[in-house]
Amino acid sequence: GAVVSQHPSWVICKSGTSVKIECRSLDFQATTMFWYRQFPKQSLMLMATSNEGSKATYEQGVEKDKFLINHASLTLSTLTVTSAHPEDSSFYICSATSSGSGANVLTFGAGSRLTVL
Amino acid sequence: GDSVTQMEGPVTLSEEAFLTINCTYTATGYPSLFWYVQYPGEGLQLLLKATKADDKGSNKGFEATYRKETTSFHLEKGSVQVSDSAVYFCALRSGFQKLVFGTGTRLLVSP
Repeated sequence: GAVVSQHPSWVICKSGTSVKIECRSLDFQATTMFWYRQFPKQSLMLMATSNEGSKATYEQGVEKDKFLINHASLTLSTLTVTSAHPEDSSFYICSATSSGSGANVLTFGAGSRLTVL
Repeated sequence: GDSVTQMEGPVTLSEEAFLTINCTYTATGYPSLFWYVQYPGEGLQLLLKATKADDKGSNKGFEATYRKETTSFHLEKGSVQVSDSAVYFCALRSGFQKLVFGTGTRLLVSP
């Protein structure tokens, strides 16, 4: 079946540095990718939706300059947390869908845990 | 806005016990309802879904019925196995809107 790979699965960084998380669709072309954030004991919150070759659409309250999303190809989307601070520590999850899969078919990555010291 | 409420965990059961994980929702329209499962170290996987009232979704022995009158979509399994230990997420989607997730419920099944 469809597989989405996220890398790294966990990362620790110093405050003020930037961190890039990759999301790859391994065996299908992902026309749309979604980035979620999950705090402990809370729901997955959608951060942004990205379509290949166009700018990401951010949810209300998500800083686009803080969380840079690039979807340059049909198999790769990246999330860069710029000038990370401890409050950015969280679990980040991506999901992907292809144009032919129907509106309800999403494949999720395993997530990336970011800890900012 | 739309929201999903599911029971807090962890839910701890012995093998072959009956499982219920409660899920209720609030939505302005007529959403589709989903249960996702996340096994350790893996991504969320769609477990089952129901797209209209009274539909029953089922997969791998799990079932959930779309109850419009009680705005619920409780997950049930008659006899759980150790391999069912995972985090279960209830979610809804109205039309082509984004998925709205519950907080997740961790299930721990002991031999």
